[in-house]
Amino acid sequence: EVQLLQSGGGLVQPGGSLRLSCAASGLIFSSYDMTWVRQAPGKGLEWVSGITGGGSSTYYADSVKGRFTISRDNSKSTLYLQMNSLRIEDTAMYYCATARLDFWGQGTLVTVSS
Amino acid sequence: DIQMTQSPSSLSASVGDRVTITCRASQGIRNYLAWLQHKPGKAPKSLIYGATSLQSGVPSKFSGSGSGTEFTLTITSLQPEDFATYYCQQYNTYPRTFGGGTKVEIK
Repeated sequence: EVQLLQSGGGLVQPGGSLRLSCAASGLIFSSYDMTWVRQAPGKGLEWVSGITGGGSSTYYADSVKGRFTISRDNSKSTLYLQMNSLRIEDTAMYYCATARLDFWGQGTLVTVSS
Repeated sequence: DIQMTQSPSSLSASVGDRVTITCRASQGIRNYLAWLQHKPGKAPKSLIYGATSLQSGVPSKFSGSGSGTEFTLTITSLQPEDFATYYCQQYNTYPRTFGGGTKVEIK
């Protein structure tokens, strides 16, 4: 059974940093492109970032470019999202998922507030 | 960036009804379109990929059609567990983009 187990969310002040993690099991992790998706309160789904299976290529939404960094450690079957210079508008539930969206993490809440 | 426009943004339907949701891309995306179902408090669930292919385990009451810029998701015989918000997403190019969502509510 494929599982994506997320960790690392929480409350942070504007301008602060957080790192989200997504530990995968039940799949050959390095074979899967991965992605982060978020949903702000009362809003729809927003694609945030993506990374290829080997980690050589990364992609970002304009709203997070230059502030967020996606990475992966295939030896640990883990995906990361380093979030710097956080803004109030980054407050959202963050989900990791395979790039084809067939498998999802449980979500982790990030709240940016003073 | 490719804009994905979903319609309607919400609809009311009764148990047993057939509903159709439309997704339009601002430029051609071939068949690189997915449909997802999202219920409050849960992770989204993928229903369809490649515009028409059902994900494993998804009942055949869900079907997708279209190619290029116009796509539809059809749900037949609506059941209580189908009331949710539905999203399309294009994966033809980066950045990936979602439609605004269609909330299917009970009439």
